[in-house]
Amino acid sequence: SQKIEQNSEALNIQEGKTATLTCNYTNYSPAYLQWYRQDPGRGPVFLLLIRENEKEKRKERLKVTFDTTLKQSLFHITASQPADSATYLCALDSTGGGADGLTFGKGTHLIIQP
Amino acid sequence: GAVVSQHPSWVICKSGTSVKIECRSLDFQATTMFWYRQFPKQSLMLMATSNEGSKATYEQGVEKDKFLINHASLTLSTLTVTSAHPEDSSFYICSARAADSYNEQFFGPGTRLTVL
Repeated sequence: SQKIEQNSEALNIQEGKTATLTCNYTNYSPAYLQWYRQDPGRGPVFLLLIRENEKEKRKERLKVTFDTTLKQSLFHITASQPADSATYLCALDSTGGGADGLTFGKGTHLIIQP
Repeated sequence: GAVVSQHPSWVICKSGTSVKIECRSLDFQATTMFWYRQFPKQSLMLMATSNEGSKATYEQGVEKDKFLINHASLTLSTLTVTSAHPEDSSFYICSARAADSYNEQFFGPGTRLTVL
């Protein structure tokens, strides 16, 4: 089965700076990797999906990289704002086939300080 | 678009009773729905995969007789926690995948279950 590691400790970033979150996985290479945002007591909200043949994906202030050699994805939020404070989850398809349920990391709690 | 709702948003029940949670895709048809469970400060754990019109596929360690899943239509899946016990208290979240989508999943807001 897939194992996902995210820095579970809180990450404190000053407003305006770039926040970088890390997701490492073991075992098989996933067909795709996703990043979600989760606020307390709420379901995850989809942010970005990057496929195994893509190196980088951008969406507004968000950027995701995917290095299948290192088995790592980096998630960047540029010009961070206090409203970006939340838990960010990395998720992979569970079996590598791309059509199944997701395996989630524990998430990284991001705090943007004014 | 791509909105998924869950009902109820929270429920408190007595030990030994059964609780039904509904998951609906509001503006698209979902051939596949997934049920997850999340304990405090833990990751979401996939419980089962539900395909419309067929039996659900459960992950290892999830009791299919305790967590009954029905996916009777392309917009509705239900999870029934039978004979609930305090250890079943958790945050239950569903997600849905559209018929024309290979891997995009849309998540519901979750249901907080507390068993006394």
